Amino acid sequence: GESVGLHLPTLSVQEGDNSIINCAYSNSASDYFIWYKQESGKGPQFIIDIRSNMDKRQGQRVTVLLNKTVKHLSLQIAATQPGDSAVYFCAENGGSYIPTFGRGTSLIVHP
Amino acid sequence: SQTIHQWPATLVQPVGSPLSLECTVEGTSNPNLYWYRQAAGRGLQLLFYSVGIGQISSEVPQNLSASRPQDRQFILSSKKLLLSDSGFYLCAWSGDSQRNSPLHFGNGTRLTVT
Repeated sequence: GESVGLHLPTLSVQEGDNSIINCAYSNSASDYFIWYKQESGKGPQFIIDIRSNMDKRQGQRVTVLLNKTVKHLSLQIAATQPGDSAVYFCAENGGSYIPTFGRGTSLIVHP
Repeated sequence: SQTIHQWPATLVQPVGSPLSLECTVEGTSNPNLYWYRQAAGRGLQLLFYSVGIGQISSEVPQNLSASRPQDRQFILSSKKLLLSDSGFYLCAWSGDSQRNSPLHFGNGTRLTVT
């Protein structure tokens, strides 16, 4: 469903720590998952994606883990930096062109 | 490379006035196009999407409408704005026939209805 009507949860970390942002999805037909980063006043930016035939995918300082058994997705950010402060959204494709976005998590990195 | 442009970046409009927000995409053909609205501190609400010229699907009933007069142009309109129309409006595109491809968002229009 749509991620509206709910205030965003917040994750606060210290600079240099690893961050883990979690997301639960509900549609068993989803076979493609995406993480976006949205900085204040800007549109969401694509970070990393994963298809359902994979459990893990790594990018630069980011790793996405997919657990299809419990319908859980996570984004790990290594050595978190102040520039990582943003709202992070997960999305699933639900087997269609129309992605369903999660509610978003606000990441605050303290220097 | 592909780019997406939205304008204006900010807009203040009185209640009852009309609205026209424009979005254009460059560097790709026959994209899927989307309009989202985001309330302050909230998630993304899909308003409209389009898979081709003149093809518009609406996700929520409201006083907004969308049009796609050209392949890479998507317009969000209203004849009479309501206070509740205030928000951050985002246009996005994704690749045609690529169900497994990410959305690419513009930088949004901040609309304040007074």
